[in-house]
Amino acid sequence: AQKVTQAQTEISVVEKEDVTLDCVYETRDTTYYLFWYKQPPSGELVFLIRRNSFDEQNEISGRYSWNFQKSTSSFNFTITASQVVDSAVYFCALRTGANSKLTFGKGITLSVRP
Amino acid sequence: ETGVTQSPTHLIKTRGQQVTLRCSSQSGHNTVSWYQQALGQGPQFIFQYYREEENGRGNFPPRFSGLQFPNYSSELNVNALELDDSALYLCASSLTGFETQYFGPGTRLLVL
Repeated sequence: AQKVTQAQTEISVVEKEDVTLDCVYETRDTTYYLFWYKQPPSGELVFLIRRNSFDEQNEISGRYSWNFQKSTSSFNFTITASQVVDSAVYFCALRTGANSKLTFGKGITLSVRP
Repeated sequence: ETGVTQSPTHLIKTRGQQVTLRCSSQSGHNTVSWYQQALGQGPQFIFQYYREEENGRGNFPPRFSGLQFPNYSSELNVNALELDDSALYLCASSLTGFETQYFGPGTRLLVL
């Protein structure tokens, strides 16, 4: 069975602060894929990143960075110099190699105050 | 390039009724997946269609059924609606069943 845990439920920061969203996953498969999606109040899930289990390189995209550590089964997401537009619910998701479905965590509500 | 679209955006039904939700996939994508998102929860996988065939199903009862058409658009049908069916229904399309899924804006269903 596969599982995604996002232990943080709500985070509130002041604009320009850095914030890290945690994600811990469980799977017995050796091939799997990890994702982060952003869900603004409009409801649409916006794809942010996909990571393969065989590629542990960290990634940076502008103010966003991701830290993938297989040793701790974690795939954490950091927003540097947060902005009000970053306010949304963020979901971590897992897909195993042989399965087509995404398993989502419960999401983290991020509020960035001006 | 047109993204994933869904209709209607909002829907109100009463218990026991039937509902059909529609999804148009992103251009070039032949796979559509449906998810149910209850308030305050993460999306739950309902099923996936690949080239008009069901390609995986989550833990949802048979009254949740679907179709995919030759143009890869899809429908989600729910019979005998229950109050707990109230949720945001999300459709996602992908190049194949194993590629990144891109989501539409969702349909908010309220069952009274």
